[in-house]
Amino acid sequence: NAGVTQTPKFQVLKTGQSMTLQCAQDMNHEYMSWYRQDPGMGLRLIHYSVGAGITDQGEVPNGYNVSRSTTEDFPLRLLSAAPSQTSVYFCASSSSGTGTEAFFGQGTRLTVV
Amino acid sequence: SQQGEEDPQALSIQEGENATMNCSYKTSINNLQWYRQNSGRGLVHLILIRSNEREKHSGRLRVTLDTSKKSSSLLITASRAADTASYFCAPIPFGNEKLTFGTGTRLTIIP
Repeated sequence: NAGVTQTPKFQVLKTGQSMTLQCAQDMNHEYMSWYRQDPGMGLRLIHYSVGAGITDQGEVPNGYNVSRSTTEDFPLRLLSAAPSQTSVYFCASSSSGTGTEAFFGQGTRLTVV
Repeated sequence: SQQGEEDPQALSIQEGENATMNCSYKTSINNLQWYRQNSGRGLVHLILIRSNEREKHSGRLRVTLDTSKKSSSLLITASRAADTASYFCAPIPFGNEKLTFGTGTRLTIIP
């Protein structure tokens, strides 16, 4: 059972480039979310989804887009990368939102130069 | 903000001792969750305690919840080197769909 899978694990981008961080889960979870974690900080919620076709903003959504066309996948798009987006990104899923435990991926370490 | 605030920010103890960390929050909650993060890894769920529960156990972990004080504590008994990690709480208000975290408690177990 793979759980939550994030790809890639590491990525270096140049300022202004775009890219998509992938997140997939095989647990048929309705709720998925994206976080960023900066050094010495906690996780900050970027976007979340309560089901296919439904997304909403978290605490720090600017500069990021998401979509949820299937239950399994929840990609995070950086439209024009900035050095301030250098961070570690985590994806999470849970079966029924915030009433149940969340499962996290292993993270994507992104550097924008 | 619905985020919990963990205290202390950092804690170092000898292996075998007990570790206690606290979480305070501001709004009424439906449940409160505790997570662990080992260095560079994703968070791992430890315990979920509901608002009508006062105490919950899981192995060497004991979580208490005092809704009147809007606080929770996580006790790790007989600590081990493998418990070295950051610990985060996530208080969840009723009807809230956002799972958010504070800055955590960084626990170091000294062998």
